[in-house]
Amino acid sequence: GAVVSQHPSWVICKSGTSVKIECRSLDFQATTMFWYRQFPKQSLMLMATSNEGSKATYEQGVEKDKFLINHASLTLSTLTVTSAHPEDSSFYICSARGQGAVDNEQFFGPGTRLTVL
Amino acid sequence: AQTVTQSQPEMSVQEAETVTLSCTYDTSESNYYLFWYKQPPSRQMILVIRQEAYKQQNATENRFSVNFQKAAKSFSLKISDSQLGDTAMYFCAFMTRSNYQLIWGAGTKLIIKP
Repeated sequence: GAVVSQHPSWVICKSGTSVKIECRSLDFQATTMFWYRQFPKQSLMLMATSNEGSKATYEQGVEKDKFLINHASLTLSTLTVTSAHPEDSSFYICSARGQGAVDNEQFFGPGTRLTVL
Repeated sequence: AQTVTQSQPEMSVQEAETVTLSCTYDTSESNYYLFWYKQPPSRQMILVIRQEAYKQQNATENRFSVNFQKAAKSFSLKISDSQLGDTAMYFCAFMTRSNYQLIWGAGTKLIIKP
């Protein structure tokens, strides 16, 4: 199956700094990428949907100025958490849907654990 | 709006037993997909099984099978001959062809005991 990577897998940062998380499709071209946030023992919460070359669509309640999403190429999307605070600590997961893929195919990255001190 | 409900927060069975996880959903769409995902302690989401709504035949993948009742909007997962490696969170999810977004249930924590 198709592979999606995320980098870093775990990051610790100080409050007030910005953190960038990368999501890459390694062996296919991802026309659409999804960013999720998952709190401990909870389900996935969709944050935004990004299509290559266009602005991301954010879900209600997600601050677009705080969670900057860029999908500049067909293999890379980035999520930047700006001016991070301890409440932004969470597990962030991306998934990707590929060009020419079967309608229902979404491939998940391994996730990034963000801890803000 | 579509919703997915998993009414069992946690389940526990002995190894080799059969277990069924429940899932119901609500939608006015006619063309959609249903999924069961597994999230082990590594937290990597793994697709277990999928079902297209237009297919009447229940999907099967080795020890995993579903009972898809479209009229009742029910989509349960049966795991036969359960193994220790099946211990994980299991999420039921729904997708329409309008935007390909996944709508997630709250999850069921499944523990397989030796």
